[in-house]
Amino acid sequence: SQTIHQWPATLVQPVGSPLSLECTVEGTSNPNLYWYRQAAGRGLQLLFYSVGIGQISSEVPQNLSASRPQDRQFILSSKKLLLSDSGFYLCAWEDRDGLGPQHFGDGTRLSIL
Amino acid sequence: QQQVKQSPQSLIVQKGGISIINCAYENTAFDYFPWYQQFPGKGPALLIAIRPDVSEKKEGRFTISFNKSAKQFSLHIMDSQPGDSATYFCAATPNQAGTALIFGKGTTLSVSS
Repeated sequence: SQTIHQWPATLVQPVGSPLSLECTVEGTSNPNLYWYRQAAGRGLQLLFYSVGIGQISSEVPQNLSASRPQDRQFILSSKKLLLSDSGFYLCAWEDRDGLGPQHFGDGTRLSIL
Repeated sequence: QQQVKQSPQSLIVQKGGISIINCAYENTAFDYFPWYQQFPGKGPALLIAIRPDVSEKKEGRFTISFNKSAKQFSLHIMDSQPGDSATYFCAATPNQAGTALIFGKGTTLSVSS
C-alpha cells in the first residue's frame, strides 16, 4: 500500500532562518506531488505541484520554493523565513493520471518566532 | 469561479443525529468532488467522493448528495457519533494531472454524547 511521510512534524524557527521540509511517498511510482498550506478558517491553499522530477509549478508567488530531486521526494524550502510563513504545511500525492483522489501526509506545524 | 463555498462553519449535533454539510461551486469544469475528514494535528483523510454522473453515493453512515443543475453537493452523516467530531472539507477539481483541489473553508463538527 502507498504511504506518505512528512517531517518534521513540528518546527519552530526564527525569522530570517532557512527552511527545509521533506515529503516522501512509498508504494507508488511517478506520482503527482503537491504542497499545500493550511491556515485556520481558510481551508487549504495550493503552493506548488510537480508532475515529475525537476518539474515544479508555483501557484502563489511568495517566499517559498519547492524541488523534486527524486521521483518520490518533494521538498519545500525557504532561504529566509518571514513571520507570515507560519502555518500547517501539507504534502499530498495522487496517481500520475490525476483521475483519483489526493492523499495527504500528516503535515508540519511551522511556527516562526 | 474557482471557489467552493461551504456551510455551516461549525455544527453541533447530538449523538445519533444527522449531520449535514453543504457545498456549492461555480466552475462547471469541476468533475470530481471529494470530502475530507481532518482530526487536530493530522492531515486531511479522504472520506468519500463523487463524480457528477451520479446523484448520490453512500458508504456506511456517510452519504454524498449531488445536484448538478444547482451546482451543489452535501455530506450527510447518519447516526453521528462522538468519534465523528472533526473538521470536514469539501473539495472540487477538474481531476486532471497537476490540477489542485479547490477546498471549502471547512466545517467543524462536534457530536455531543
